[in-house]
Amino acid sequence: EAGVTQFPSHSVIEKGQTVTLRCDPISGHDNLYWYRRVMGKEIKFLLHFVKESKQDESGMPNNRFLAERTGGTYSTLKVQPAELEDSGVYFCASSQFDRGHEQYFGPGTRLTVT
Amino acid sequence: LAKTTQPISMDSYEGQEVNITCSHNNIATNDYITWYQQFPSQGPRFIIQGYKTKVTNEVASLFIPADRKSSTLSLPRVSLSDTAVYYCLVGPDSGAGSYQLTFGKGTKLSVIP
Repeated sequence: EAGVTQFPSHSVIEKGQTVTLRCDPISGHDNLYWYRRVMGKEIKFLLHFVKESKQDESGMPNNRFLAERTGGTYSTLKVQPAELEDSGVYFCASSQFDRGHEQYFGPGTRLTVT
Repeated sequence: LAKTTQPISMDSYEGQEVNITCSHNNIATNDYITWYQQFPSQGPRFIIQGYKTKVTNEVASLFIPADRKSSTLSLPRVSLSDTAVYYCLVGPDSGAGSYQLTFGKGTKLSVIP
């Protein structure tokens, strides 16, 4: 069974540009999460989808971040416009509907904003 | 969410049993204890979860005393490949709401030959 995949693995953009990160969860997992770790800090929750609905977006830092999960399958996280402090590793995870804390993480996308 | 406290780092020789203890004095009645492992340049990986007493799987054992204010992750006979950061997380695992995980700094385990 394929795990959670993320694309790209690394993205380098200039301040002010737009970047879109993609996450493909494990097939059949209704729950999809985004987390990020900025340099030297702990992994922080961004938001949680249940199928195509946003269950919790309390961790989204500001309105420059937009997450979507059309059709309840893959998800995208767009940062527009990117700022220097957005640099870090963005992780996506998925879980079965009734196993919220058993989350399967992808390898992450390293975002560098210069 | 209950705050967790665990050692910043630990060293162990290959073949030894490693026990990592996590304190969570403010754990709530409906909270579960979950441990994750993270290798460099990878996402965290679920290891084990428990509510009380002892849980064992093919990777580790989790010991939780009756008061649930702490828990111990036990890794039997560690190898070099067990070198990683281990996170203890506490939170509800069912019901309405979000399943957001709250990661702390974790315990960096270094296994040496």
